[in-house]
Amino acid sequence: NAGVMQNPRHLVRRRGQEARLRCSPMKGHSHVYWYRQLPEEGLKFMVYLQKENIIDESGMPKERFSAEFPKEGPSILRIQQVVRGDSAAYFCASSISEKLFFGSGTQLSVL
Amino acid sequence: GQQLNQSPQSMFIQEGEDVSMNCTSSSIFNTWLWYKQDPGEGPVLLIALYKAGELTSNGRLTAQFGITRKDSFLNISASIPSDVGIYFCAGQPKASSGTYKYIFGTGTRLKVLA
Repeated sequence: NAGVMQNPRHLVRRRGQEARLRCSPMKGHSHVYWYRQLPEEGLKFMVYLQKENIIDESGMPKERFSAEFPKEGPSILRIQQVVRGDSAAYFCASSISEKLFFGSGTQLSVL
Repeated sequence: GQQLNQSPQSMFIQEGEDVSMNCTSSSIFNTWLWYKQDPGEGPVLLIALYKAGELTSNGRLTAQFGITRKDSFLNISASIPSDVGIYFCAGQPKASSGTYKYIFGTGTRLKVLA
């Protein structure tokens, strides 16, 4: 996990609020991936980004979810108008080759 | 969509025993990764496999890329209490070459009894 920084570690939101999750990849890595994990399940791919480009967002819900990886600054996963079903652990990973390195995740709880 | 079947789902073993787990699929994969996840933490990469038939070790851990490219195996020898955790396989489908978009198995929950 060394190097991939995610914040916040825990985020509590009420239904209808917005959640912003941040991820800084390992130094020198230009690829960022977001995965979601529900309790007792594996990780599910959401989106793959390179700097300023969304490469693959096939795992992202069509509504309320968006992701960006600007030229400067961290990658942001944004969830608008959160619902209870959005409660999960969200993990970011970065890579420079075939290996994915994960951050410690953000645990999102929707009340 | 593509799925990875990981087994066993969970196992309780005595300290010192060897452990085996595997992932299988009906699809072909280019790369296999094995991870360990502790509660409240992100997955930590254990072993990466790139070629069919490849056998790679990392300390007491040994993993193999199946000859058919549809499966992979992880063995842990002489288990110790700190091996407890959830082990995930992750495969990069052949169709996703170049994107490093991995499919994860459902995990094997390992508990080691001292």
